[in-house]
Amino acid sequence: QKEVEQDPGPLSVPEGAIVSLNCTYSNSAFQYFMWYRQYSRKGPELLMYTYSSGNKEDGRFTAQVDKSSKYISLFIRDSQPSDSATYLCAMSSISGYSTLTFGKGTMLLVSP
Amino acid sequence: NAGVTQTPKFQVLKTGQSMTLQCAQDMNHNSMYWYRQDPGMGLRLIYYSASEGTTDKGEVPNGYNVSRLNKREFSLRLESAAPSQTSVYFCASSGRGNTEAFFGQGTRLTVV
Repeated sequence: QKEVEQDPGPLSVPEGAIVSLNCTYSNSAFQYFMWYRQYSRKGPELLMYTYSSGNKEDGRFTAQVDKSSKYISLFIRDSQPSDSATYLCAMSSISGYSTLTFGKGTMLLVSP
Repeated sequence: NAGVTQTPKFQVLKTGQSMTLQCAQDMNHNSMYWYRQDPGMGLRLIYYSASEGTTDKGEVPNGYNVSRLNKREFSLRLESAAPSQTSVYFCASSGRGNTEAFFGQGTRLTVV
């Protein structure tokens, strides 16, 4: 079993839809959870960062962590064609110095 | 606000040739990383440097060497390139007490 599982998609939705992207993980030591967005032929860019369990909201984006289920989610409200990208979840266990464990990414396509 | 800068952006090598990928960050981060990204494989850590003067192997270090030249710069060297090293290479950095990594725009390497 991989440490981090993420459905590769593609996930196709119409503009304006609410999108839910998810990752599951097996390592209970993970405490720091991130979502990256990667446009085609570009580097990943940090979108959201949360510590431990709970929700974090930033504009149209909400990150949710459920450590008891080892499950994290990213919700995108009012999705736009410009949201079309690959979304990667990442997580780590130690603050200060740590390496990240990435999911393989979910490709999202938002059609006008 | 350059962030993480990688050079070159594209490179074609013949099998057996050597080359060095350069990375520099201007965010005063302690930690730097080299990843490769392949279709269906996600981001895989090659080497990392937790702080100036230290380097450690990641998940896929074979065929690579690194040098942490100073706090800003972290280079990746392929001594004898192989077709299996055809990939997109990303450099990243993260700060002390901070697990989020910031990525460069990538180097697309093809080994023929």
